[in-house]
Amino acid sequence: GAVVSQHPSWVICKSGTSVKIECRSLDFQATTMFWYRQFPKQSLMLMATSNEGSKATYEQGVEKDKFLINHASLTLSTLTVTSAHPEDSSFYICSARKQTGQATIYGYTFGSGTRLTVV
Amino acid sequence: GQSLEQPSEVTAVEGAIVQINCTYQTSGFYGLSWYQQHDGGAPTFLSYNALDGLEETGRFSSFLSRSDSYGYLLLQELQMKDSASYFCAVRDRGSQGNLIFGKGTKLSVKP
Repeated sequence: GAVVSQHPSWVICKSGTSVKIECRSLDFQATTMFWYRQFPKQSLMLMATSNEGSKATYEQGVEKDKFLINHASLTLSTLTVTSAHPEDSSFYICSARKQTGQATIYGYTFGSGTRLTVV
Repeated sequence: GQSLEQPSEVTAVEGAIVQINCTYQTSGFYGLSWYQQHDGGAPTFLSYNALDGLEETGRFSSFLSRSDSYGYLLLQELQMKDSASYFCAVRDRGSQGNLIFGKGTKLSVKP
């Protein structure tokens, strides 16, 4: 199977502090990982695409200096929310795609998500 | 751009059958997939259609009509544990290949 581990599962932090979220592919290599954000009762919105060994690609409206992404190895991507504010409170989910022999949509595996609450 | 439309809420009773529709607009098409998400949890993959027709996986089936840009998820013999949000998704035509999700359909299964 393809397993993606995401930590922490929940975190409460004070406004102005930074929080790091880790996403690991446990049994496969992921050259690309995706970071999504989901507000209550809403859909998952892509924030950025993390590429191993290169800079992340951010979606329009997502501040790259606020949401720092590092993809230092083929199995680990991190998202750091810097100077967090209450409006950053959300559910953050990573996803990785295991490359298969067929160019299909299969293989998208999600981490368990991180519930961030900024107080 | 790419967009997906699906109903916001559906209610059904245990043992019933429910169909969740999804229409999409995409530039380039790489298949339609369905994900289930329970409250507080991450999305889990349910089904995928690349070609027209019906794909059956146990109690869940998914259908696709590419000419109509339409698909649906069919849930049979509903159980209370099926209460969750269901998202249809397509792959972005960009080279990065991320998924674009619909807004989700919240299914409530009543006794």
